[in-house]
Amino acid sequence: DTEVTQTPKHLVMGMTNKKSLKCEQHMGHRAMYWYKQKAKKPPELMFVYSYEKLSINESVPSRFSPECPNSSLLNLHLHALQPEDSALYLCASSQEARQALNEKLFFGSGTQLSVL
Amino acid sequence: AQSVTQLGSHVSVSEGALVLLRCNYSSSVPPYLFWYVQYPNQGLQLLLKYTSAATLVKGINGFEAEFKKSETSFHLTKPSAHMSDAAEYFCAVSTYNQGGKLIFGQGTELSVKP
Repeated sequence: DTEVTQTPKHLVMGMTNKKSLKCEQHMGHRAMYWYKQKAKKPPELMFVYSYEKLSINESVPSRFSPECPNSSLLNLHLHALQPEDSALYLCASSQEARQALNEKLFFGSGTQLSVL
Repeated sequence: AQSVTQLGSHVSVSEGALVLLRCNYSSSVPPYLFWYVQYPNQGLQLLLKYTSAATLVKGINGFEAEFKKSETSFHLTKPSAHMSDAAEYFCAVSTYNQGGKLIFGQGTELSVKP
């Protein structure tokens, strides 16, 4: 199994809602990532988890709250989002998050989020 | 700080023609370089990577790229374009001391005309 599975594929939420995005991989990877991608733009790193511990937070607003319950699962909890947070949210994994990322990232297909 | 610049936000070629997507990097330390492809409504998929071994790197789907330190370039080529190559292509760089951060270029959209 070389897949990263993300659910849901599409999500529409109001600014007062609370929702969660889920990501799962069964490749034994110990590093997992959340990226945000706006239309026609490159992915922007949000968070990196290494061995289930948060290792990088790219100054993401607190309305985004990541969680790594175990080595196979990664969640992104959303609360009080703004319309400008509408984007494709991509999860990725790699064998490890070394000092230099010299290995392949496996990406999921993403969750297309719309905030009304 | 490390960065990549992709020359041309949109490239159009005819089916069977050479594909050339340009990427230049900036880094004060030896870089690791990658090309990823993104098809519509999908995540990114690794095409190839340079990690300081051979300077000519072969990837999937007939793509290859050559690392040229003197030109700080890592251009992506394919001898003969297929319709299925139409997608968004991202060049990316990572370096030691960045702790797992991958810096992406702005992307190049490749169109293939029949």
